[in-house]
Amino acid sequence: AQRVTQPEKLLSVFKGAPVELKCNYSYSGSPELFWYVQYSRQRLQLLLRHISRESIKGFTADLNKGETSFHLKKPFAQEEDSAMYYCALKSNTGKLIFGQGTTLQVKP
Amino acid sequence: GAGVSQSPSNKVTEKGKDVELRCDPISGHTALYWYRQRLGQGLEFLIYFQGNSAPDKSGLPSDRFSAERTGESVSTLTIQRTQQEDSAVYLCASSKGRKNTGELFFGEGSRLTVL
Repeated sequence: AQRVTQPEKLLSVFKGAPVELKCNYSYSGSPELFWYVQYSRQRLQLLLRHISRESIKGFTADLNKGETSFHLKKPFAQEEDSAMYYCALKSNTGKLIFGQGTTLQVKP
Repeated sequence: GAGVSQSPSNKVTEKGKDVELRCDPISGHTALYWYRQRLGQGLEFLIYFQGNSAPDKSGLPSDRFSAERTGESVSTLTIQRTQQEDSAVYLCASSKGRKNTGELFFGEGSRLTVL
């Protein structure tokens, strides 16, 4: 089965603290994984994709095939990072399968 | 407006009525997706179009749900005989190119409330 699991519904940290948003997947073959973000009153948008190995707004995510994980990390959280984050997996039919989402709350 | 446009933004209907939700993708985007987001839950895939054919409609929850697309343009999601469990935000997204890069551009959604 192709599946994405985000175990935390809510993650609350203080400004300046490190952040790790967890994502685990189930997929046979080479997965393509993504992180999407939805800021308050904005549309859902792509944050980063694993094949680009990019860092966007200080966030990075490394694909760990051994642990079937694609956790999103940032060393120092900012208040403007508060948002809903979704991990997504591209299925073998081309659609994106999304996780349940994690709300990140960064407190001042 | 260059983004994905959805209408209506809000729809309240009575149980048993039919509803139509519309999506205008970004011009030139060949792929179009419908997702559903129930309160407190993640995005649930419904159907995806490449041009006007639907390679994957595995997520449509029942035969009350149908969708069509005209060419590489507008798509309509129709829900017949609505039930209360159909209440959700229905999100449309589009992406360019025949090879899905995984970058989807989302609309603001249509919030459906079934009384």
